[in-house]
Amino acid sequence: NAGVTQTPKFRVLKTGQSMTLLCAQDMNHEYMYWYRQDPGMGLRLIHYSVGEGTTAKGEVPDGYNVSRLKKQNFLLGLESAAPSQTSVYFCASSYSVPTNTEAFFGQGTRLTVV
Amino acid sequence: GIQVEQSPPDLILQEGANSTLRCNFSDSVNNLQWFHQNPWGQLINLFYIPSGTKQNGRLSATTVATERYSLLYISSSQTTDSGVYFCAVENQAGTALIFGKGTTLSVSS
Repeated sequence: NAGVTQTPKFRVLKTGQSMTLLCAQDMNHEYMYWYRQDPGMGLRLIHYSVGEGTTAKGEVPDGYNVSRLKKQNFLLGLESAAPSQTSVYFCASSYSVPTNTEAFFGQGTRLTVV
Repeated sequence: GIQVEQSPPDLILQEGANSTLRCNFSDSVNNLQWFHQNPWGQLINLFYIPSGTKQNGRLSATTVATERYSLLYISSSQTTDSGVYFCAVENQAGTALIFGKGTTLSVSS
């Protein structure tokens, strides 16, 4: 049972480059989320999805785009990476709304933008 | 939006000691979860506890929703308890979790 899997685990980008982070879950969860974690800031919500084909903005969406073409996958894109996007990115999923269900997290992707 | 405050920000303990971590939130919520992030960065769900008390081994949690706080108790701490403990509550739309900044716990032998 893989749970939530993020690809890649580590990446170094040059300023201005683009990349896509992939999140895959095998629990048939409806809700998926992307967070970033920075020292002293906790986890901040970037974007989330309440079902296949839907996306919504979170607390810090600028500079990121997302897509949820398949229920099991949630992609996070950086079109033109900036040093301020250096962070650890976490994907999470939950069966239903956070009101009544647990959230499960991937192992994280450490991204450095130089 | 809803605010989540955790205290203390840092905690240093000797192995075997007990501790209490606190989470205050600014508005009523229907969901509250506690997570542990181990030194390798992995986030583990400890408790889903919108109200009441739950226990799992040496850990227990209590949420008093009417007073907008939750407590995480760690008894007989072990070095493997080290890491960051996060409290998370639902956002106002009820569609995602909002995290506090965490309590960093260091347990030494």
